[in-house]
Amino acid sequence: EAQVTQNPRYLITVTGKKLTVTCSQNMNHEYMSWYRQDPGLGLRQIYYSMNVEVTDKGDVPEGYKVSRKEKRNFPLILESPSPNQTSLYFCASSLYRGVGYTFGSGTRLTVV
Amino acid sequence: GENVEQHPSTLSVQEGDSAVIKCTYSDSASNYFPWYKQELGKRPQLIIDIRSNVGEKKDQRIAVTLNKTAKHFSLHITETQPEDSAVYFCAAKRTGGTSYGKLTFGQGTILTVHP
Repeated sequence: EAQVTQNPRYLITVTGKKLTVTCSQNMNHEYMSWYRQDPGLGLRQIYYSMNVEVTDKGDVPEGYKVSRKEKRNFPLILESPSPNQTSLYFCASSLYRGVGYTFGSGTRLTVV
Repeated sequence: GENVEQHPSTLSVQEGDSAVIKCTYSDSASNYFPWYKQELGKRPQLIIDIRSNVGEKKDQRIAVTLNKTAKHFSLHITETQPEDSAVYFCAAKRTGGTSYGKLTFGQGTILTVHP
């Protein structure tokens, strides 16, 4: 089944403890992206990647890192999480230039 | 960068009525406009999209219209059903240039269809 898989689905962590949210897609898509969703603010793009080793900032990249060492994987790294990064995170992938992004199931992160 | 404004933030209709959600965008170079539906606790899913070379597109009970001059586009849902209740997001992007992976969303509209 074609899908975008994120892990974990839920995560509670403490301020300053480094964490990684994994994202993997099995559709051979070139484009991948991370979004955070907050009430009243919609979906805001954190980072996106056009191909292996090619990444670029979205609208809210501060406090996040990404890497794209393999086409199928696009992990999101929070080196020193803070409470304002408590949010619902979605990974997405697209075959062509961000057209028709397919979203993963989401990761609900709480930073205390 | 692109800025997308979406209205209304909430919309309540009776089953069978029509619903219209409107979005405006700021970047005149944007040429791709998708709409996503997000049911409670689920992921956003693409329901329809339109490109700037087309003024209107329909798919059964949903349609999207685009006015490039005014830089706004709208989602129309006819004969609404309770299962249409969800959050709807509009978005805009360029498909060319150096930032073509970037997709900017509106703030979302909570649609409630009452039986």
